[in-house]
Amino acid sequence: QQQVKQSPQSLIVQKGGISIINCAYENTAFDYFPWYQQFPGKGPALLIAIRPDVSEKKEGRFTISFNKSAKQFSLHIMDSQPGDSATYFCAARGKSGGSNYKLTFGKGTLLTVNP
Amino acid sequence: SQTIHQWPATLVQPVGSPLSLECTVEGTSNPNLYWYRQAAGRGLQLLFYSVGIGQISSEVPQNLSASRPQDRQFILSSKKLLLSDSGFYLCAWNPGYPYGYTFGSGTRLTVV
Repeated sequence: QQQVKQSPQSLIVQKGGISIINCAYENTAFDYFPWYQQFPGKGPALLIAIRPDVSEKKEGRFTISFNKSAKQFSLHIMDSQPGDSATYFCAARGKSGGSNYKLTFGKGTLLTVNP
Repeated sequence: SQTIHQWPATLVQPVGSPLSLECTVEGTSNPNLYWYRQAAGRGLQLLFYSVGIGQISSEVPQNLSASRPQDRQFILSSKKLLLSDSGFYLCAWNPGYPYGYTFGSGTRLTVV
């Protein structure tokens, strides 16, 4: 019930195209859904996040779409650029005893944007 | 502003040797702290988390241990490294809702 399933495992997109990464979850108690971007040899960095009472959030070229009834959320990268090439992780936040919250991560998507 | 420091950046250790990785957070007090491992591939595996000094929760039974001797210090240790301990180790802290975790820059550990 704590799993977050992410797809695809890898994605190749042409420059200027739209990259779409999907995630699904089962635990309805999750209350916060961030996306992380990780470049090789670096720690993941928070990219954009959404709460379950919002259906869409946009920040620049990055948009999260959230479907609460389907328990799915996705990341859309518009006008994809070679500099967007990285590994992307979705995550979901849930309580883990007391006042501690824990993020459960998807397995990641390796995005390659060809010039 | 809050920052998280992690060191060393890379480490090559022989099998059977001890390990100590350190993580410190600045600019906040009583943070929730986390150790993750990322094996070759990409998944992030939660190893330990701590909600306060001396309070450690283990997520996965393994050859590693963690300690939190001070409020903003989190240490990952092993008495005897195995080849399977190789990976990219990440420390993270949680500034609280509505923020996600902030990760350190990671330690690349290679056990030879």
